[in-house]
Amino acid sequence: IAGITQAPTSQILAAGRRMTLRCTQDMRHNAMYWYRQDLGLGLRLIHYSNTAGTTGKGEVPDGYSVSRANTDDFPLTLASAVPSQTSVYFCASRRDFYTGELFFGEGSRLTVL
Amino acid sequence: QQQVKQSPQSLIVQKGGISIINCAYENTAFDYFPWYQQFPGKGPALLIAIRPDVSEKKEGRFTISFNKSAKQFSLHIMDSQPGDSATYFCAPWEETSGSRLTFGEGTQLTVNP
Repeated sequence: IAGITQAPTSQILAAGRRMTLRCTQDMRHNAMYWYRQDLGLGLRLIHYSNTAGTTGKGEVPDGYSVSRANTDDFPLTLASAVPSQTSVYFCASRRDFYTGELFFGEGSRLTVL
Repeated sequence: QQQVKQSPQSLIVQKGGISIINCAYENTAFDYFPWYQQFPGKGPALLIAIRPDVSEKKEGRFTISFNKSAKQFSLHIMDSQPGDSATYFCAPWEETSGSRLTFGEGTQLTVNP
């Protein structure tokens, strides 16, 4: 089934540890995004990539980094996790820079203690 | 600057009733106006979207009404069903600057049987 796969589904992490959330899509979409979702704050954009080899900062990029070595994969790394990064993280993609529909993965729930 | 304001934050409706969720925006350059639906434990998914050349779009029980002069658009769910219980997000944006994807804070809809 075509779509976006995120891993892990959930993770508990000690503060200060490094963590990479994985995201893979098989739709050959050019644009990919990472959002975090917190109660009462909706979805906030962390980083995005409009095409392989390029990335950009979103609304809340501090403490996070991304890479886009190929079309399919867009990992999100927390270099040194802090409790405020406890959240549900969603990876999303869309066909290209100009079309509207976003396709989301099922999310990764991260708890930083 | 808050570009998107969604209301209400939560809504309880009886089965068969009409659910109305509103989204007000500030950026007059927005040219794509979607609503996303999110069930618990899942990622958001596009429900219905409108472009500013029309004032209303209907898909089954779901209707978007768009008021360009008031800079707002709304989602109407007719004959609401318990299966419609979910969180709804508006996410207006400029398609030519896809990186600026701004979601509303979300409306949690509960439809009682």
